[in-house]
This record gives sequence, C-alpha cells and structure tokens, in this order.
Amino acid sequence: RKEVEQDPGPFNVPEGATVAFNCTYSNSASQSFFWYRQDCRKEPKLLMSVYSSGNEDGRFTAQLNRASQYISLLIRDSKLSDSATYLCVVKLNSGNTPLVFGKGTRLSVIA
Amino acid sequence: NAGVTQTPKFQVLKTGQSMTLQCAQDMNHEYMSWYRQDPGMGLRLIHYSVGAGITDQGEVPNGYNVSRSTTEDFPLRLLSAAPSQTSVYFCASSENRGQGQPQHFGDGTRLSIL
Repeated sequence: RKEVEQDPGPFNVPEGATVAFNCTYSNSASQSFFWYRQDCRKEPKLLMSVYSSGNEDGRFTAQLNRASQYISLLIRDSKLSDSATYLCVVKLNSGNTPLVFGKGTRLSVIA
Repeated sequence: NAGVTQTPKFQVLKTGQSMTLQCAQDMNHEYMSWYRQDPGMGLRLIHYSVGAGITDQGEVPNGYNVSRSTTEDFPLRLLSAAPSQTSVYFCASSENRGQGQPQHFGDGTRLSIL
C-alpha cells in the first residue's frame, strides 16, 4: 500500500460548485498534514495545514480523521482560479523524517 | 527576501555530461531537500539535509550527489547524466523543529537529457 494515496481525477466541476477530495495515509504514526496546490508547470505552494479539530480558510475546509487515516479538502463556491492539482502531504513527527507527498488530484473548474 | 532560489531554470545536457543544480535559501532554514517530478509519478524525494554537514538519501538517490557546507546552499550534482534523469527538479526548505513544518519550494529546474 502506498504511503499517501489520492484519486488523480480529473474532477471537472462548474463554477460555484462544491467539491471535496480525500486522501488516505498508511502510517498511523503520521502527525502533520498539509494540502498543497500546484499550478501547471509551477512549484507546489502550501494551501493550508490540517489540524486535528479541522480548520477553515475562507472557502477551503480541511478535516482529519485519524481513526480512518484520511484527510479531506472541501472547496466551496469553486472559482476558475481554483483549477490546479491539489497535493496531500503527510509527515511523521519522529525526528527528521521527510514529508511524503501524494501524487495529487487534478481539479478543473469550468465556466 | 528571495525565499528559495534555483538555478538554472532550464538546462539541456547530453548523455554522460555532469552538472550541478544550485539551490539557495535566505530564510535560515535548517531543512532542505531535492525532489524530482515526472508525469504520473508525483514528487519523489532525491536527497535531503537537516543541517549543514548532514545529508541523507531519499526515495530515488541513485545518480545524484549532494553536499551541505552552509545553511544557505544545497547543490544537487548529476554525476553522469542519463535520459532517465530528464525531469523537473524542485528544491525546498523548511524550519526543522520536528513539528512538521511546511516546505517552501523553489520554482524548479527543467532538465532535458539528450
């Protein structure tokens, strides 16, 4: 089983729609979780960290379910500018272990 | 404050040539890493460093060397370029407090090996 798994998509949604992505991770000792956004031919950029109690940043909501070992990202009122690939990222906090990136879920928001 | 700077942005090499991809950060970050990204493969970790003088291998280290003589710089060396190393290379850095700090990425080096 891969360490971090995501549905590659693409998710094609109309403007204004609500869309959700899930990501599962295999290591139950994982402690830190992030969502990154990557535009075509650009570098990944941090979208938001994911906290145990869930957190919201404007139209974006991230949730963590430790029991089922998945995190989710919900985007409300989708904009054309939300079109990108969304990367799920997980880290063990034990020492200097590197971040583990999922392969990403591609989102296309259509006018 | 430039963040993470990678040079060059584009490079074409012939098989067997060697070269160094440069990465510098001005945020005094302890942790630096190199990734390659290929279509359908996602980001794969090549090498990483948790501080000056300390480096370690990632998922795909073969064919690459790194060194970390200063906090700021983390160059990646291709010893003898092969077509399989054609890829987009990203350098990243983060604070290393053991709490899982997010990484800041450079804007990448697009490398083609002929």
